[in-house]
Amino acid sequence: SQQGEEDPQALSIQEGENATMNCSYKTSINNLQWYRQNSGRGLVHLILIRSNEREKHSGRLRVTLDTSKKSSSLLITASRAADTASYFCAVHSGAGSYQLTFGKGTKLSVIP
Amino acid sequence: SQTIHQWPATLVQPVGSPLSLECTVEGTSNPNLYWYRQAAGRGLQLLFYSVGIGQISSEVPQNLSASRPQDRQFILSSKKLLLSDSGFYLCAWARTGELFFGEGSRLTVL
Repeated sequence: SQQGEEDPQALSIQEGENATMNCSYKTSINNLQWYRQNSGRGLVHLILIRSNEREKHSGRLRVTLDTSKKSSSLLITASRAADTASYFCAVHSGAGSYQLTFGKGTKLSVIP
Repeated sequence: SQTIHQWPATLVQPVGSPLSLECTVEGTSNPNLYWYRQAAGRGLQLLFYSVGIGQISSEVPQNLSASRPQDRQFILSSKKLLLSDSGFYLCAWARTGELFFGEGSRLTVL
């Protein structure tokens, strides 16, 4: 399976701290994406990083991709209570019609 | 702007009853559409995807089916629900490699 695997499964930090989540996958990819899901809601796209990119920024988000290690990390800086959510990585391997396979997610709790 | 709607938001059904979940997309044409299921504490499982009217691909054999009767409408159905069908069902459409999700339909089978 091409499914991404997030680590850790759960993370609890104080407001203002940085949060780092990791994702590993098994074979070559076209791109890797990160999504956020608030409890009981749909997923929201955060950022996409292509296989030829190593780092990407969006506001307080920083994503890195290491294709040699088949891993990615999502860093949220200066976390806020509103960042409390589950975060999923999704990998696209480029086979046929566009499909993403998702990991099980990291549940982030930011304590005010 | 594009929007995606799912309904019903919540559904409680007895085992053996039928199911119909609907998804519609507005503001775009000929989207790729997807049905995912999210079981409690687990990741997303791709169930079906469609690249056009009447074109459905199934990823997981099960007692669920999908149909796309119109360009922007995607329906998830079952003739007889099982307990294991309980979960959070998410519809999504794709644009430039990104998925845009609806708010989900939570199904509880009793």
